Amino acid sequence: GAGVSQTPSNKVTEKGKYVELRCDPISGHTALYWYRQSLGQGPEFLIYFQGTGAADDSGLPNDRFFAVRPEGSVSTLKIQRTERGDSAVYLCASSLTGGGGPTDTQYFGPGTRLTVL
Amino acid sequence: RKEVEQDPGPFNVPEGATVAFNCTYSNSASQSFFWYRQDCRKEPKLLMSVYSSGNEDGRFTAQLNRASQYISLLIRDSKLSDSATYLCVVVRSQGNLIFGKGTKLSVKP
Repeated sequence: GAGVSQTPSNKVTEKGKYVELRCDPISGHTALYWYRQSLGQGPEFLIYFQGTGAADDSGLPNDRFFAVRPEGSVSTLKIQRTERGDSAVYLCASSLTGGGGPTDTQYFGPGTRLTVL
Repeated sequence: RKEVEQDPGPFNVPEGATVAFNCTYSNSASQSFFWYRQDCRKEPKLLMSVYSSGNEDGRFTAQLNRASQYISLLIRDSKLSDSATYLCVVVRSQGNLIFGKGTKLSVKP
């Protein structure tokens, strides 16, 4: 079946602009996660959705970052007034139930590579 | 101190070698642990879960020592296709994953 998909695959923008990154999780997965990976680092947690609600947004770095999942499926990560330090690969993952048990595997999308000039 | 710390690497080994990666975590309440594999410019993919009793999947063996807050991954008979970055992962109570920085493995002919 289809895996997690993310669009766009690459996004180049200018400092100060607004960007939206989209994630389509695996059908039927209630949990959706956003991570950010900078060069040479492991992915860093941003936000976790359980259904339509943000169950944990403690990883969002500041109020320029916001994410929604209005119908409990597709999610959009929104970044306002982008800065050069926002350049990274933004990864989305989904899992069947969430909660992080040893059998609740998170499947990752291919990521969106964001470059802020 | 970082929540998850790994050997810095890189590890450069010949085909057929046995290689071990180590990882420590700081939150003693952590309950679930994984090893993920990440190929260059690709997304992370689950390699295996890690259980207290230890678990094996073919050439790969994962061990967890809760008392020492230590996780290991052993790869036997390394193949060229094992070349990748290996990420140690600890799960927070809500289910979000905390990744180590990763250890890069290069297997040479």
